[in-house]
Amino acid sequence: GAGVSQSPSNKVTEKGKDVELRCDPISGHTALYWYRQSLGQGLEFLIYFQGNSAPDKSGLPSDRFSAERTGGSVSTLTIQRTQQEDSAVYLCASSLDRGRENEQFFGPGTRLTVL
Amino acid sequence: AQSVTQLGSHVSVSEGALVLLRCNYSSSVPPYLFWYVQYPNQGLQLLLKYTTGATLVKGINGFEAEFKKSETSFHLTKPSAHMSDAAEYFCAVLKAAGNKLTFGGGTRVLVKP
Repeated sequence: GAGVSQSPSNKVTEKGKDVELRCDPISGHTALYWYRQSLGQGLEFLIYFQGNSAPDKSGLPSDRFSAERTGGSVSTLTIQRTQQEDSAVYLCASSLDRGRENEQFFGPGTRLTVL
Repeated sequence: AQSVTQLGSHVSVSEGALVLLRCNYSSSVPPYLFWYVQYPNQGLQLLLKYTTGATLVKGINGFEAEFKKSETSFHLTKPSAHMSDAAEYFCAVLKAAGNKLTFGGGTRVLVKP
């Protein structure tokens, strides 16, 4: 079946602009995660959605970052007033539910470059 | 708090030689441990995981890892490297109460013919 998909695959933007990154999880997966992979910080957790519960936003680095998940499926990560340090690969993952045994399946990522 | 340390950001092995990637973790509770592989311009793919039970776990592509609680380690091995093993490998810990993966810094493997 189809895996996790993300769009766009690459995004180049100018400092100060807003960007939206999209994630389509695997059908039927109720848990969705966003991670960021950057040279300086490695792989780090950003935000986690589980069903209709309030998201765990503890990893978001600043209030310029926000995410939503509509209808329990597609998620959008929004970065407002982008800064050069936001340049990174943004990875989305999904899993069946919140059980720790459930594997997180990762998408190919969106490479964001802020000029 | 928990953390994951991978020793060596780059490892070079000859084709056919043993691959050994080291991972140590700190966790206040029994962890769930994972190894992921990332090929160029791709997302992460699960190689193997330890949850409970047998401490030696086997994964895909001939990889295996052993959970050693006394050493707080979860080293990844493969007896004979193949050119297709060239990739970056990440060790990760799953927090007991929650689903956030905490990753190590990654080890990039180069396989020489």
